[in-house]
Amino acid sequence: DAKTTQPNSMESNEEEPVHLPCNHSTISGTDYIHWYRQLPSQGPEYVIHGLTSNVNNRMASLAIAEDRKSSTLILHRATLRDAAVYYCILFSGGYQKVTFGIGTKLQVIP
Amino acid sequence: DGGITQSPKYLFRKEGQNVTLSCEQNLNHDAMYWYRQDPGQGLRLIYYSQIVNDFQKGDIAEGYSVSREKKESFPLTVTSAQKNPTAFYLCASSLGLTGNQPQHFGDGTRLSIL
Repeated sequence: DAKTTQPNSMESNEEEPVHLPCNHSTISGTDYIHWYRQLPSQGPEYVIHGLTSNVNNRMASLAIAEDRKSSTLILHRATLRDAAVYYCILFSGGYQKVTFGIGTKLQVIP
Repeated sequence: DGGITQSPKYLFRKEGQNVTLSCEQNLNHDAMYWYRQDPGQGLRLIYYSQIVNDFQKGDIAEGYSVSREKKESFPLTVTSAQKNPTAFYLCASSLGLTGNQPQHFGDGTRLSIL
């Protein structure tokens, strides 16, 4: 099964950019890279996803390495509302063993 | 607004009792999922369904059962065979069962043992 590795925690100052890394060295050609974030006692919220090319949306940007073995979620200006646990997950057709892992807990400092 | 509704928000189970968690979506999504989250841990997949009347086991299906009689509904039953049911249960849905579809989550049901 394709697995992802993320740092347990990161800190950022408010209004500064944040780069959240994810390693997925065993990624297969059909795996999409997804990012979700979760606040305490809430369900995860979709942030962004991509396959090979970098992606941008209103919430964030996703930078995918050329060999696809790593990716980075970029929050351009961190706000206090961005403090959450961020999960990097690989999805492809067939979900038998999807696991979110423990993610990266992002703390935003005012 | 379309979304996923899970009920109840909190649920208590007595020893030897089966309980059913509700999940309803009005997003017209074909695929639905159930996850379990333990304190300080990530999500683990229990069951998923690609279409009505079809569902598949995930990584930790033992002690759980599901049904998918309607597109909008995917209830999860926690049976007495599940010896450690205390957890946060999350339901999700997506347009289809492909990697290119984001999942939308409900706000969860927290199950505790009395």
